[in-house]
Amino acid sequence: GAVVSQHPSRVICKSGTSVKIECRSLDFQATTMFWYRQFPKQSLMLMATSNEGSKATYEQGVEKDKFLINHASLTLSTLTVTSAHPEDSSFYICSARALAPDEQYFGPGTRLTVT
Amino acid sequence: QQQVKQSPQSLIVQKGGISIINCAYENTAFDYFPWYQQFPGKGPALLIAIRPDVSEKKEGRFTISFNKSAKQFSLHIMDSQPGDSATYFCAAITQGGSEKLVFGKGTKLTVNP
Repeated sequence: GAVVSQHPSRVICKSGTSVKIECRSLDFQATTMFWYRQFPKQSLMLMATSNEGSKATYEQGVEKDKFLINHASLTLSTLTVTSAHPEDSSFYICSARALAPDEQYFGPGTRLTVT
Repeated sequence: QQQVKQSPQSLIVQKGGISIINCAYENTAFDYFPWYQQFPGKGPALLIAIRPDVSEKKEGRFTISFNKSAKQFSLHIMDSQPGDSATYFCAAITQGGSEKLVFGKGTKLTVNP
């Protein structure tokens, strides 16, 4: 089956620093990738949609200058949390859309803790 | 209209019992309804999915029932096992449209041994 990886799986950073999270589709090409944020015991909240070679589309209320998304290739998207603050601590999950079958496959998630 | 309402919020079932999770939607443009299973600290994994042109889909112990007129769909887990204990999310999407999955709020299933 289609596999999506994320790196790192866990990261702890200090307030004010930036953190980059990678999302890779390992055995398929993904023209579209999605970034979600999930708080404890809550559902997934879509942050942005990224298409290869174009600017990401952010959901309402998501700061695009704080959450920088780059989709440089058909297998890699990155999310950079800039000037992180403790309130950015969360579980970040990416998904990648495969064309055949037309399905979204989720990565294992990245636990970000900002101290 | 973009919401998917999921119930119950939590569910406790005995081993061997049937777990039933229900979802309802309003947007008739949705044309694909997947269910995801998520274990603590992990990403969601696709469990089973259905399109509105069929009323039921079964894969092993997991069955989706779909009622197009009522705009409802449900997940049935037969012979529930402790290993099924997880959070289950229903979702809906208009494929070829916005491509955005709309998720329910999730159901935490606990299967007691």
